[in-house]
Amino acid sequence: DGGITQSPKYLFRKEGQNVTLSCEQNLNHDAMYWYRQDPGQGLRLIYYSQIVNDFQKGDIAEGYSVSREKKESFPLTVTSAQKNPTAFYLCASDRTSGRAGGMNEQFFGPGTRLTVL
Amino acid sequence: GNSVTQMEGPVTLSEEAFLTINCTYTATGYPSLFWYVQYPGEGLQLLLKATKADDKGSNKGFEATYRKETTSFHLEKGSVQVSDSAVYFCALTDNAGNMLTFGGGTRLMVKP
Repeated sequence: DGGITQSPKYLFRKEGQNVTLSCEQNLNHDAMYWYRQDPGQGLRLIYYSQIVNDFQKGDIAEGYSVSREKKESFPLTVTSAQKNPTAFYLCASDRTSGRAGGMNEQFFGPGTRLTVL
Repeated sequence: GNSVTQMEGPVTLSEEAFLTINCTYTATGYPSLFWYVQYPGEGLQLLLKATKADDKGSNKGFEATYRKETTSFHLEKGSVQVSDSAVYFCALTDNAGNMLTFGGGTRLMVKP
């Protein structure tokens, strides 16, 4: 079955530690995205990547880093510089249309809930 | 820039009631419009979509019509069930790229 997997489902971190969230997809999608969701709020874009070895900052990139060494994988590192990292993190992917008017349906993983102790 | 505005929740309904969740948008050109649903503790799933004016997206009894004249994409269902309890997100992509812009989400609670 094709899809997106995120691990772990729950993650606890001590203050001052870096932590890496995994995201893998086997949909052969070019583009991948990381969002942050806080309680009762919508999704905010952290980083995105439209092609291997390239990525762009989203709206709230400070305190986060990513890499895109393989098409299937887009790990997110939450660094100690992120002042309020406790949140639900969602990874998504889509097949870039490459043309104007394209309909880019994003597929989401199940999410990782990060709690800083 | 692009933006999506949804009615604030929570919306609480009894089973078999009629549902409307309002969504309006601001975008240049001709965006594609989406409704996503998020069940507790899970990621988002695409519920329905529409790509041009007057298109109606539908799925699982839910419907939404792309109204360009009112820049709206309201979600409706004639008879909700307890299992419809979730958070619903309206979203759009513009015709210049791949980025999704989300509304703030509306929590729906359906009571038996």
